[in-house]
Amino acid sequence: SQQGEEDPQALSIQEGENATMNCSYKTSINNLQWYRQNSGRGLVHLILIRSNEREKHSGRLRVTLDTSKKSSSLLITASRAADTASYFCATAASGGSYIPTFGRGTSLIVHP
Amino acid sequence: DTEVTQTPKHLVMGMTNKKSLKCEQHMGHRAMYWYKQKAKKPPELMFVYSYEKLSINESVPSRFSPECPNSSLLNLHLHALQPEDSALYLCASSQESQTNQPQHFGDGTRLSIL
Repeated sequence: SQQGEEDPQALSIQEGENATMNCSYKTSINNLQWYRQNSGRGLVHLILIRSNEREKHSGRLRVTLDTSKKSSSLLITASRAADTASYFCATAASGGSYIPTFGRGTSLIVHP
Repeated sequence: DTEVTQTPKHLVMGMTNKKSLKCEQHMGHRAMYWYKQKAKKPPELMFVYSYEKLSINESVPSRFSPECPNSSLLNLHLHALQPEDSALYLCASSQESQTNQPQHFGDGTRLSIL
């Protein structure tokens, strides 16, 4: 299965701290995406990183991709209580469709 | 507010009922998707429509029947569902299904089967 595996499954931090989530996958990819899901809501796209890219930034978010290790990380700096959500990585396998397969997710709680 | 609108937000139905879930987007996207999500699990792909044609069916039971009347609308017709079909059903869209493009999700329909 191409499904990514996020680590940790759950993360609890204080407001202002940084949060780092990792994603590992098994086969070559076209791209890797990160999504956020607030409780009871749909998924919100955060960042898409292509297989030939190593790092992308968006506001307080930083995503890295290491294709040699088949892993990615999502860093949220200066976290806020509003960042409390589940975060999913999603991979699109190379040689196939570009439709992402979602990992099991990391549940992040940011305490005010 | 999301750019993908799903109705209804909640649905409770018996196992013999027939109901439909609706999804609408006006972003000009040509790919639309149905996902099923159980509590504390990732979304699981059910169907993909590309240019209004069904391109992927992930071996979904026939009690789920998708329909794409036009490029903006996606329906999921439900009939004779089982209690294990209770879940959050998410619709998504993207510019196309064969490119590096993100998906835009609706807030889902929470379905409960009695």
